[in-house]
Amino acid sequence: KQEVTQIPAALSVPEGENLVLNCSFTDSAIYNLQWFRQDPGKGLTSLLLIQSSQREQTSGRLNASLDKSSGRSTLYIAASQPGDSATYLCAVENTGGFKTIFGAGTRLFVKA
Amino acid sequence: ETGVTQSPTHLIKTRGQQVTLRCSSQSGHNTVSWYQQALGQGPQFIFQYYREEENGRGNFPPRFSGLQFPNYSSELNVNALELDDSALYLCASSFGGQGMRGYTFGSGTRLTVV
Repeated sequence: KQEVTQIPAALSVPEGENLVLNCSFTDSAIYNLQWFRQDPGKGLTSLLLIQSSQREQTSGRLNASLDKSSGRSTLYIAASQPGDSATYLCAVENTGGFKTIFGAGTRLFVKA
Repeated sequence: ETGVTQSPTHLIKTRGQQVTLRCSSQSGHNTVSWYQQALGQGPQFIFQYYREEENGRGNFPPRFSGLQFPNYSSELNVNALELDDSALYLCASSFGGQGMRGYTFGSGTRLTVV
């Protein structure tokens, strides 16, 4: 049974700091992994999707890496801004199916 | 191009009642997936509809049911509401009956069961 864990559960950093969010999964037979952002009480916005054959994806100040063998992914945020404050969710999609398993998320607060 | 619209945005129901939540998919999408997100948790997959047929289901009891219409909009119905059904219900539309690639999420319906 696939389980997704995100560490830390919450994080508070000063503006301008570089930071890393962690995601681990128990079953390496994944089809892809995706990072989402969720603002309070809102839906999810896709940030980066990494296919199982890829090692990383980049978009602006965001970089996500994937290591299937160790069951880990990281989301790196460079030069954090107050507007980055949100919950960041990691989700994996297993091979042979479409069921998506989400982690509980990391709540990020960037102080001005 | 319109996004995914969910209605209502907020809802309060009494335990034992029934509720219907609605989702209009993004233009060009033919697949709708429903998720339940309890406070402080990640979303949990309820089921997916592709071309008006249920295309897969998570670990939710039969009192959670759904429909997809010819215009690819969808409904989530929950019977015999329980207090633990209180959550944010999210729908995501996509194309092709696949997984989360290309998902567009709605803003959700906040259901409170009292």
